[in-house]
Amino acid sequence: AQSVAQPEDQVNVAEGNPLTVKCTYSVSGNPYLFWYVQYPNRGLQFLLKYITGDNLVKGSYGFEAEFNKSQTSFHLKKPSALVSDSALYFCAVRDLGNEKLTFGTGTRLTIIP
Amino acid sequence: NAGVMQNPRHLVRRRGQEARLRCSPMKGHSHVYWYRQLPEEGLKFMVYLQKENIIDESGMPKERFSAEFPKEGPSILRIQQVVRGDSAAYFCASSPTAGSTDTQYFGPGTRLTVL
Repeated sequence: AQSVAQPEDQVNVAEGNPLTVKCTYSVSGNPYLFWYVQYPNRGLQFLLKYITGDNLVKGSYGFEAEFNKSQTSFHLKKPSALVSDSALYFCAVRDLGNEKLTFGTGTRLTIIP
Repeated sequence: NAGVMQNPRHLVRRRGQEARLRCSPMKGHSHVYWYRQLPEEGLKFMVYLQKENIIDESGMPKERFSAEFPKEGPSILRIQQVVRGDSAAYFCASSPTAGSTDTQYFGPGTRLTVL
Protein backbone atom coordinates (compact mmCIF):
# COMPACT_ATOMS: atom_id res chain seq x y z
CA ALA A 1 0.00 0.00 0.00
CA GLN A 2 1.12 3.54 -0.68
CA SER A 3 0.28 6.66 1.32
CA VAL A 4 1.24 10.30 1.64
CA ALA A 5 1.05 12.68 4.57
CA GLN A 6 1.10 16.45 4.42
CA PRO A 7 1.25 17.40 8.09
CA GLU A 8 0.39 21.08 7.64
CA ASP A 9 -3.03 22.16 6.40
CA GLN A 10 -1.91 25.78 6.15
CA VAL A 11 1.45 27.50 5.73
CA ASN A 12 1.90 31.27 5.83
CA VAL A 13 5.11 32.88 4.57
CA ALA A 14 6.09 36.49 4.08
CA GLU A 15 6.83 37.54 0.52
CA GLY A 16 10.53 37.20 -0.26
CA ASN A 17 11.16 34.62 2.47
CA PRO A 18 12.03 30.98 1.75
CA LEU A 19 9.15 28.53 1.88
CA THR A 20 8.87 24.83 2.65
CA VAL A 21 5.83 22.59 2.22
CA LYS A 22 6.27 19.24 3.90
CA CYS A 23 5.48 15.76 2.59
CA THR A 24 6.24 12.29 3.88
CA TYR A 25 5.41 9.05 2.13
CA SER A 26 5.09 5.32 2.58
CA VAL A 27 5.48 2.74 -0.19
CA SER A 28 6.50 -0.90 -0.32
CA GLY A 29 9.13 -0.40 -3.02
CA ASN A 30 10.94 2.51 -4.62
CA PRO A 31 8.87 5.68 -4.53
CA TYR A 32 8.00 7.90 -7.45
CA LEU A 33 7.06 11.29 -6.00
CA PHE A 34 5.21 14.22 -7.50
CA TRP A 35 4.20 17.75 -6.56
CA TYR A 36 1.18 19.48 -8.07
CA VAL A 37 -0.29 22.95 -7.49
CA GLN A 38 -3.98 23.84 -7.67
CA TYR A 39 -5.27 27.37 -8.08
CA PRO A 40 -8.90 28.19 -7.16
CA ASN A 41 -11.43 26.43 -9.39
CA ARG A 42 -8.68 25.04 -11.58
CA GLY A 43 -7.17 21.66 -12.27
CA LEU A 44 -3.84 20.44 -10.95
CA GLN A 45 -0.67 21.70 -12.56
CA PHE A 46 2.43 19.52 -12.48
CA LEU A 47 5.42 21.10 -10.72
CA LEU A 48 8.09 18.43 -10.46
CA LYS A 49 8.80 14.76 -9.83
CA TYR A 50 11.45 12.50 -8.36
CA ILE A 51 12.13 9.22 -10.10
CA THR A 52 15.79 8.42 -9.43
CA GLY A 53 19.19 10.09 -9.31
CA ASP A 54 19.94 13.45 -7.74
CA ASN A 55 18.00 13.96 -4.53
CA LEU A 56 17.38 17.63 -5.33
CA VAL A 57 14.82 18.02 -8.09
CA LYS A 58 14.17 21.33 -9.81
CA GLY A 59 10.79 22.14 -11.27
CA SER A 60 8.54 24.87 -12.61
CA TYR A 61 8.24 28.44 -11.29
CA GLY A 62 11.47 28.23 -9.28
CA PHE A 63 10.31 25.37 -7.06
CA GLU A 64 12.52 22.49 -6.03
CA ALA A 65 12.09 19.44 -3.82
CA GLU A 66 14.49 17.33 -1.82
CA PHE A 67 14.11 13.58 -1.65
CA ASN A 68 15.29 12.09 1.65
CA LYS A 69 15.07 8.32 1.71
CA SER A 70 16.02 7.87 5.36
CA GLN A 71 13.31 10.27 6.50
CA THR A 72 10.86 9.17 3.75
CA SER A 73 10.28 12.81 2.92
CA PHE A 74 9.92 14.92 -0.21
CA HIS A 75 9.58 18.53 0.93
CA LEU A 76 8.82 21.28 -1.57
CA LYS A 77 10.95 24.41 -1.35
CA LYS A 78 11.46 27.80 -2.91
CA PRO A 79 14.19 30.28 -1.95
CA SER A 80 12.07 33.42 -2.25
CA ALA A 81 8.27 33.33 -2.12
CA LEU A 82 6.00 35.35 -4.41
CA VAL A 83 2.42 36.40 -3.67
CA SER A 84 1.43 34.51 -6.83
CA ASP A 85 2.66 31.27 -5.21
CA SER A 86 -0.42 31.33 -2.97
CA ALA A 87 -2.34 28.17 -3.83
CA LEU A 88 -3.11 24.61 -2.72
CA TYR A 89 -0.19 22.19 -3.03
CA PHE A 90 -0.49 18.44 -3.29
CA CYS A 91 2.16 15.79 -2.87
CA ALA A 92 1.54 12.42 -4.56
CA VAL A 93 3.25 9.03 -4.72
CA ARG A 94 3.28 5.93 -6.86
CA ASP A 95 5.35 2.78 -6.56
CA LEU A 96 6.58 0.48 -9.29
CA GLY A 97 3.79 -1.21 -11.18
CA ASN A 98 1.09 0.96 -9.68
CA GLU A 99 -0.63 3.29 -12.11
CA LYS A 100 -2.69 5.31 -9.70
CA LEU A 101 -1.42 8.34 -7.85
CA THR A 102 -2.09 8.56 -4.13
CA PHE A 103 -2.43 12.17 -3.00
CA GLY A 104 -1.94 13.89 0.31
CA THR A 105 -4.71 16.05 1.71
CA GLY A 106 -3.04 19.23 0.48
CA THR A 107 -1.38 22.25 2.06
CA ARG A 108 -2.75 25.71 1.55
CA LEU A 109 0.14 28.11 1.06
CA THR A 110 -0.48 31.80 1.63
CA ILE A 111 2.20 34.33 0.81
CA ILE A 112 1.76 37.55 2.76
CA PRO A 113 2.76 40.76 0.99
CA ASN B 1 -0.73 21.06 -28.21
CA ALA B 2 -3.97 21.37 -26.29
CA GLY B 3 -4.06 20.05 -22.78
CA VAL B 4 -6.55 17.66 -21.25
CA MET B 5 -10.07 18.84 -22.00
CA GLN B 6 -13.06 18.23 -19.79
CA ASN B 7 -16.67 19.19 -20.26
CA PRO B 8 -18.86 20.43 -18.94
CA ARG B 9 -16.92 22.54 -16.44
CA HIS B 10 -19.96 22.81 -14.21
CA LEU B 11 -22.89 20.43 -14.03
CA VAL B 12 -26.01 20.71 -11.89
CA ARG B 13 -28.26 17.71 -11.46
CA ARG B 14 -31.25 16.89 -9.28
CA ARG B 15 -31.24 13.76 -7.17
CA GLY B 16 -32.04 10.72 -9.28
CA GLN B 17 -30.81 12.16 -12.58
CA GLU B 18 -27.83 10.96 -14.56
CA ALA B 19 -24.54 12.83 -14.84
CA ARG B 20 -22.25 12.33 -17.79
CA LEU B 21 -18.73 13.75 -17.65
CA ARG B 22 -16.41 13.86 -20.66
CA CYS B 23 -12.65 13.85 -20.93
CA SER B 24 -10.46 14.23 -24.01
CA PRO B 25 -6.83 13.35 -23.24
CA MET B 26 -3.84 15.23 -24.55
CA LYS B 27 -2.90 14.43 -28.13
CA GLY B 28 -0.86 11.25 -28.25
CA HIS B 29 -2.00 10.08 -24.81
CA SER B 30 -3.88 6.79 -24.67
CA HIS B 31 -4.08 6.38 -20.89
CA VAL B 32 -6.83 8.10 -18.92
CA TYR B 33 -7.37 8.33 -15.17
CA TRP B 34 -10.37 9.69 -13.26
CA TYR B 35 -10.08 11.17 -9.77
CA ARG B 36 -12.65 12.69 -7.42
CA GLN B 37 -12.02 15.60 -5.08
CA LEU B 38 -14.44 16.20 -2.26
CA PRO B 39 -14.48 19.68 -0.69
CA GLU B 40 -11.32 20.44 1.28
CA GLU B 41 -9.85 17.02 0.50
CA GLY B 42 -7.19 15.57 -1.75
CA LEU B 43 -7.88 13.68 -4.93
CA LYS B 44 -8.98 10.05 -4.72
CA PHE B 45 -8.33 7.64 -7.58
CA MET B 46 -11.40 6.18 -9.22
CA VAL B 47 -10.52 4.37 -12.45
CA TYR B 48 -7.76 3.88 -15.03
CA LEU B 49 -8.58 3.18 -18.66
CA GLN B 50 -6.85 2.59 -21.93
CA LYS B 51 -8.61 2.65 -25.27
CA GLU B 52 -11.59 0.25 -25.03
CA ASN B 53 -10.30 -1.28 -21.79
CA ILE B 54 -10.78 -0.69 -18.08
CA ILE B 55 -7.45 -1.49 -16.45
CA ASP B 56 -8.08 -0.64 -12.79
CA GLU B 57 -11.43 0.33 -11.32
CA SER B 58 -10.53 -0.31 -7.70
CA GLY B 59 -11.56 3.21 -6.67
CA MET B 60 -14.98 3.19 -8.29
CA PRO B 61 -18.09 2.84 -6.13
CA LYS B 62 -19.69 -0.53 -6.80
CA GLU B 63 -23.03 0.90 -7.87
CA ARG B 64 -24.21 3.73 -10.10
CA PHE B 65 -20.73 4.64 -11.43
CA SER B 66 -19.29 3.48 -14.73
CA ALA B 67 -16.55 4.60 -17.09
CA GLU B 68 -15.57 3.98 -20.67
CA PHE B 69 -12.91 5.05 -23.14
CA PRO B 70 -14.11 4.07 -26.62
CA LYS B 71 -11.93 3.63 -29.66
CA GLU B 72 -13.19 6.94 -30.98
CA GLY B 73 -14.18 9.91 -28.87
CA PRO B 74 -13.66 11.03 -25.30
CA SER B 75 -13.63 9.05 -22.12
CA ILE B 76 -16.96 9.17 -20.28
CA LEU B 77 -17.60 8.93 -16.55
CA ARG B 78 -21.27 8.19 -15.95
CA ILE B 79 -23.07 8.51 -12.65
CA GLN B 80 -26.60 7.17 -12.56
CA GLN B 81 -29.28 8.22 -10.06
CA VAL B 82 -27.07 10.88 -8.49
CA VAL B 83 -27.27 11.62 -4.78
CA ARG B 84 -26.11 14.68 -2.83
CA GLY B 85 -22.96 12.85 -1.74
CA ASP B 86 -21.83 12.71 -5.37
CA SER B 87 -21.31 16.48 -5.34
CA ALA B 88 -17.59 16.93 -5.95
CA ALA B 89 -14.99 17.95 -8.49
CA TYR B 90 -14.13 15.20 -10.93
CA PHE B 91 -10.74 15.40 -12.59
CA CYS B 92 -9.43 13.52 -15.55
CA ALA B 93 -5.73 13.00 -16.21
CA SER B 94 -3.84 11.48 -19.11
CA SER B 95 -0.38 10.11 -19.79
CA PRO B 96 1.37 8.90 -22.94
CA THR B 97 2.32 5.47 -21.63
CA ALA B 98 1.61 3.25 -18.66
CA GLY B 99 4.93 3.69 -16.88
CA SER B 100 4.93 4.35 -13.16
CA THR B 101 7.39 7.19 -13.74
CA ASP B 102 5.17 8.98 -16.26
CA THR B 103 3.61 12.30 -15.36
CA GLN B 104 -0.16 12.48 -15.35
CA TYR B 105 -1.48 15.74 -16.77
CA PHE B 106 -4.76 16.94 -15.38
CA GLY B 107 -7.74 18.65 -16.95
CA PRO B 108 -9.60 21.60 -15.40
CA GLY B 109 -12.21 19.35 -13.83
CA THR B 110 -15.99 19.09 -13.83
CA ARG B 111 -17.71 20.43 -10.74
CA LEU B 112 -20.85 18.43 -10.12
CA THR B 113 -23.54 19.83 -7.86
CA VAL B 114 -26.47 17.63 -6.92
CA LEU B 115 -29.52 19.50 -5.68
